[in-house]
Amino acid sequence: QLQLQESGPGLVKPSETLSLTCTVAGGSISRSSTYYWVWIRQPPGKGLEWIGSMFYSGSAYYNPSLKSRVTISVDTSNNQFSLRLSSVTAADTAVYYCARQYWTWYLDYWGQGTLVTVSS
Amino acid sequence: QSALTQPASVSGSPGQSITISCTGTSSDVGDYNYVSWYQQHPGKDPKLLIYEVTNRPSGVSYRFSGSKSGNTASLIISGLQAEDEADYFCSSYTSSNTLLFGGGTKLTVL
Repeated sequence: QLQLQESGPGLVKPSETLSLTCTVAGGSISRSSTYYWVWIRQPPGKGLEWIGSMFYSGSAYYNPSLKSRVTISVDTSNNQFSLRLSSVTAADTAVYYCARQYWTWYLDYWGQGTLVTVSS
Repeated sequence: QSALTQPASVSGSPGQSITISCTGTSSDVGDYNYVSWYQQHPGKDPKLLIYEVTNRPSGVSYRFSGSKSGNTASLIISGLQAEDEADYFCSSYTSSNTLLFGGGTKLTVL
């Protein structure tokens, strides 16, 4: 059974960079040619927003509204993938989820989510 | 890119059937069979209910089904149960190689 777990600071100051890591257990990030590794966020009380998807080889797709501030990277040696979101504001306060995405763009495994608050 | 359109709320009594719609455009829902549905209970992570418009993952109740007509996809829940009370989100692949979600629908079981 695949398990994903987000980790990282729960509080980030405005204008700084948000950094999160997702550790994958129960399966190898690099052994699957049909899955992408994804970040999704959900502001408190609101809907889901796709941030971006990355293949283990490095090819990636990003939400155009966030693309200039987002980097997703994969660390196959540690079976992890990461999110960096720069120049954050209060609008970036959200629960951040990592997930596995099949090539037909559905998300079958999710992490439990981690709340990141942007505040000074 | 705008979110897919879902009703903010729907309700039904136990045993009834309800339908949640998800309306997009010819650049997403209308052009691809890559529509998915997710159920989210308060404080929990989303759970995949339907993928590729009509397919149900192993372990998901037969009471959940999906369909699509034109630019609108639908999630049908039959035989409503109290545990179905949750938020429901649709998603679709788009021609821009992105993933769009709907705004979410809150289901209340009366």
